[in-house]
Amino acid sequence: KAGVTQTPRYLIKTRGQQVTLSCSPISGHRSVSWYQQTPGQGLQFLFEYFSETQRNKGNFPGRFSGRQFSNSRSEMNVSTLELGDSALYLCASGRTGNHEQYFGPGTRLTVT
Amino acid sequence: AQKITQTQPGMFVQEKEAVTLDCTYDTSDQSYGLFWYKQPSSGEMIFLIYQGSYDEQNATEGRYSLNFQKARKSANLVISASQLGDSAMYFCAMRELSNFGNEKLTFGTGTRLTIIP
Repeated sequence: KAGVTQTPRYLIKTRGQQVTLSCSPISGHRSVSWYQQTPGQGLQFLFEYFSETQRNKGNFPGRFSGRQFSNSRSEMNVSTLELGDSALYLCASGRTGNHEQYFGPGTRLTVT
Repeated sequence: AQKITQTQPGMFVQEKEAVTLDCTYDTSDQSYGLFWYKQPSSGEMIFLIYQGSYDEQNATEGRYSLNFQKARKSANLVISASQLGDSAMYFCAMRELSNFGNEKLTFGTGTRLTIIP
């Protein structure tokens, strides 16, 4: 069974640009969550999607958005990038009713 | 609000020894789950073990066991017979379960474990 995949793995962008990250969950998983990991703030919850609906949202500005498609794949978008957005972005998929969440390898975003 | 506290930023342990990583938590929810994840330098978060707040027995998964003390609000991870491959960051996390469908995990700051040969 394939694990959670995230593309791209590495990304370098310039301040002011926008970026889209993709996450494909494990087959059969309908929940996808996104996290931002930085040395200063640690792991912070961004948002969670289930059946194409945002079910939960963390405390991030509106520049951070996401969506989920009918095949459960999810994308997150960050507009008007700032230097502080440089981070490892992790997504996790899970099956509702099952406590386990499986993480992908992450996308490392560098903003210059 | 939920909070996870990991007070050991780093630990050095001799290979084959047992190691205990500390985790305390705070929540007003009666139903919650506690998790431990391992993060090697590659970045991927690897699920290790889970303990539900109503589970009467401590969880075990191979060399990993969770020492759950509900009254003290602690959920320490014990790794028996440590191996060089155990060197990584370890994160304790919690999820409130009373709100059905809430998948949000709250993480601690992590402990960097280094196994010495």
